[in-house]
Amino acid sequence: DGGITQSPKYLFRKEGQNVTLSCEQNLNHDAMYWYRQDPGQGLRLIYYSQIVNDFQKGDIAEGYSVSREKKESFPLTVTSAQKNPTAFYLCASSVFIGTDYARGYTFGSGTRLTVV
Amino acid sequence: SQQGEEDPQALSIQEGENATMNCSYKTSINNLQWYRQNSGRGLVHLILIRSNEREKHSGRLRVTLDTSKKSSSLLITASRAADTASYFCATDSAETSGSRLTFGEGTQLTVNP
Repeated sequence: DGGITQSPKYLFRKEGQNVTLSCEQNLNHDAMYWYRQDPGQGLRLIYYSQIVNDFQKGDIAEGYSVSREKKESFPLTVTSAQKNPTAFYLCASSVFIGTDYARGYTFGSGTRLTVV
Repeated sequence: SQQGEEDPQALSIQEGENATMNCSYKTSINNLQWYRQNSGRGLVHLILIRSNEREKHSGRLRVTLDTSKKSSSLLITASRAADTASYFCATDSAETSGSRLTFGEGTQLTVNP
């Protein structure tokens, strides 16, 4: 089955530690994204990548880093510089679905990160 | 920045009733999409409406788009308890042309059996 896999589902981090969240897709989508969701709120874009070896900052990139060495993979590192990392992190991928700029998005099931 | 803003923030209805959620946005768009999220899960795409479309249907879902008012609505007819979830609108801005989606804060829908 095609889809996006995020791991782990739950992650606990001590203050001052870096952690890496995994996101893998087998949909052959060209673009991938990381969003952060805080309780009762919408999604905010952290980073996105439209092609391999290229990525752009979203609205809240400070304290995060990404890489895109393979089309299938877009890991997110939450660094110690991120002051309030406890949140639900969602990875997504997309592909053009028409002759216009419309894209169809598929989301993973999320990783819940808690700082202890 | 959050472009889409949904209202109401929360909606509670009885099974069988219709649920209407609204979304307003600020900039020109290529398309607007609606997503559903069950508690603690990822988002599921429901429907996409392009800027040159005014209404779209998918099963019990009806979406309208008014680009002059920069607003959209999602109607769920004959609601079921299983429709209980958060619903988000997301805009694909004409400025960024398909490179990213911007999400609103969402409407929490509760359908009581």
